[in-house]
Amino acid sequence: QQQVRQSPQSLTVWEGETAILNCSYEDSTFNYFPWYQQFPGEGPALLISISSVSDKKEDGRFTIFFNKREKKLSLHITDSQPGDSATYFCAATITGNTRKLIFGLGTTLQVQP
Amino acid sequence: DPKIIQKPKYLVAVTGSEKILICEQYLGHNAMYWYRQSAKKPLEFMFSYSYQKLMDNQTASSRFQPQSSKKNHLDLQITALKPDDSATYFCASSQESWGSNQDTQYFGPGTRLLVL
Repeated sequence: QQQVRQSPQSLTVWEGETAILNCSYEDSTFNYFPWYQQFPGEGPALLISISSVSDKKEDGRFTIFFNKREKKLSLHITDSQPGDSATYFCAATITGNTRKLIFGLGTTLQVQP
Repeated sequence: DPKIIQKPKYLVAVTGSEKILICEQYLGHNAMYWYRQSAKKPLEFMFSYSYQKLMDNQTASSRFQPQSSKKNHLDLQITALKPDDSATYFCASSQESWGSNQDTQYFGPGTRLLVL
């Protein structure tokens, strides 16, 4: 049973458009949500993250919108660039002794020039 | 210079054999992790170590044994290899601020393991 779900599985947008990647979760104890970006042949790299006490986090062209009541997040990439073509993972974790990140299956984004 | 080194980059093994995956981090972090990425499955947490002590083990099999000989090393020994073990194994590390789950985990480039 997947605790973190992502949609769509793949997404293609044109350069300059806004890409919207969705994430939902089940466990209400999750309180921290990092998004990772992964290029082929590389390890995931932290892109942006949000705590459950916030409903929005912005970093340049990347914005996370968080709806705690609905247990949903979305990552908006504005002015998409071909260099943004990658797989994006939504992850979640909870406060405690573990630092376990629970990942979704990812969304593969293709930005067409 | 790479901050997290994983060796080897690629590894081919035969069923039943044993392999060790190497991970070294030069970020000065106190916590290290192993994750596995298989086809059509999410990145899966395996182990976490803090100050060289095992904090969490989410692997069901004792065939996977982490080994921490130094603070910045966390190797992964896999015994009695099976084809299902074929995956990319990622090492990660974080600063380990006391009581915080929001330390960024930095991932290495991974070791791609193929078991025939």
